[in-house]
Amino acid sequence: TQLLEQSPQFLSIQEGENLTVYCNSSSVFSSLQWYRQEPGEGPVLLVTVVTGGEVKKLKRLTFQFGDARKDSSLHITAAQPGDTGLYLCAGYNFNKFYFGSGTKLNVKP
Amino acid sequence: DADVTQTPRNRITKTGKRIMLECSQTKGHDRMYWYRQDPGLGLQLIYYSFDVKDINKGEISDGYSVSRQAQAKFSLSLESAIPNQTALYFCATSEPGPQARDTQYFGPGTRLTVL
Repeated sequence: TQLLEQSPQFLSIQEGENLTVYCNSSSVFSSLQWYRQEPGEGPVLLVTVVTGGEVKKLKRLTFQFGDARKDSSLHITAAQPGDTGLYLCAGYNFNKFYFGSGTKLNVKP
Repeated sequence: DADVTQTPRNRITKTGKRIMLECSQTKGHDRMYWYRQDPGLGLQLIYYSFDVKDINKGEISDGYSVSRQAQAKFSLSLESAIPNQTALYFCATSEPGPQARDTQYFGPGTRLTVL
């Protein structure tokens, strides 16, 4: 089993604050994905990072893949209530996806 | 219409009963997956299939079986349900992408409660 640990598990912040979510593993992955899941729905893909050190930006979200391709971070700038949800990272190897346990984010107005 | 549909959306059953969860997709993807989600544990892979004749066990296949009836249909069965199989179940499809950029598309989930 290729484990992915996410931290923090829960995060409750005020609108306008910045935050970072971490996804760490001892395994090397071919790629790493971040998903967002809302209650009553399945996860939706936000981004895929492939190259060690790769940084991708999606509006106020910045994703980084570690140089060794074992870890990743998601940074949200000026969080908004619409960012509330469960954020999942998933590592990809040998045609399978391995999911982290998730970070539950609540952004209060 | 949703690309990946799951039925039922909610199910309450008793210990020992046989349960089937169904998944259909209109995306035309060959690859399909069944995951289980428990609070604090993320998604765990139960079974996956890369075409109609290909079935593979995932991390937690004990107590589950699957059937790939067609490219578009992948069903999950619990032969004799037990309370610790109470969870949220997701079906997903994927298409291979370049440089490990496979994209997964998830259904809305089935909430199963075993009493």
